[in-house]
Amino acid sequence: GQSLEQPSEVTAVEGAIVQINCTYQTSGFYGLSWYQQHDGGAPTFLSYNALDGLEETGRFSSFLSRSDSYGYLLLQELQMKDSASYFCAVRDRAAGNKLTFGGGTRVLVKP
Amino acid sequence: SAVISQKPSRDICQRGTSLTIQCQVDSQVTMMFWYRQQPGQSLTLIATANQGSEATYESGFVIDKFPISRPNLTFSTLTVSNMSPEDSSIYLCSVGGVEQFFGPGTRLTVL
Repeated sequence: GQSLEQPSEVTAVEGAIVQINCTYQTSGFYGLSWYQQHDGGAPTFLSYNALDGLEETGRFSSFLSRSDSYGYLLLQELQMKDSASYFCAVRDRAAGNKLTFGGGTRVLVKP
Repeated sequence: SAVISQKPSRDICQRGTSLTIQCQVDSQVTMMFWYRQQPGQSLTLIATANQGSEATYESGFVIDKFPISRPNLTFSTLTVSNMSPEDSSIYLCSVGGVEQFFGPGTRLTVL
């Protein structure tokens, strides 16, 4: 099976940088995704890493180290609207497009 | 991208009854996924619905409790049967590959 670990909550101020770590265990790792979910909303896709390294998309970046079974999501220049839950998720090679989600990290941005 | 709608958006039901949730996609897709998200928790995959074949259920979920229909490539239903308060959750459908698109969810409360 698969398991993912990420911190449950992070608090930071506007303009700060937040890093959300995700460690995973899976039998057939294919890639690591990140999703954002605002309260009452649906999860929305942020990024996907299949290879080692850093992927940058605007203020958000995602990193993957396959050898360490580890990734992180970096949120820069935090804004109030970034207050949300962030989930890492793994795709398993043996399970097609099925995603297994981590427990989620609630990010609270304070003024 | 894909646009997904779900009906109903929310419902309050009595224990022992059943509720059918509809998921409509604006394009034809091979696989549709049904998730459950309990309050403040992560997303748990219930089953994968393929058109023309029986759904594939994840460990802990059974067809008698969560029957799924997939009559065509743009539509699926999930029924929550013989409900109990423990079934109170948000139920979401999704489609996609590397990037999963989620419906807005159905918020179910069982009294």
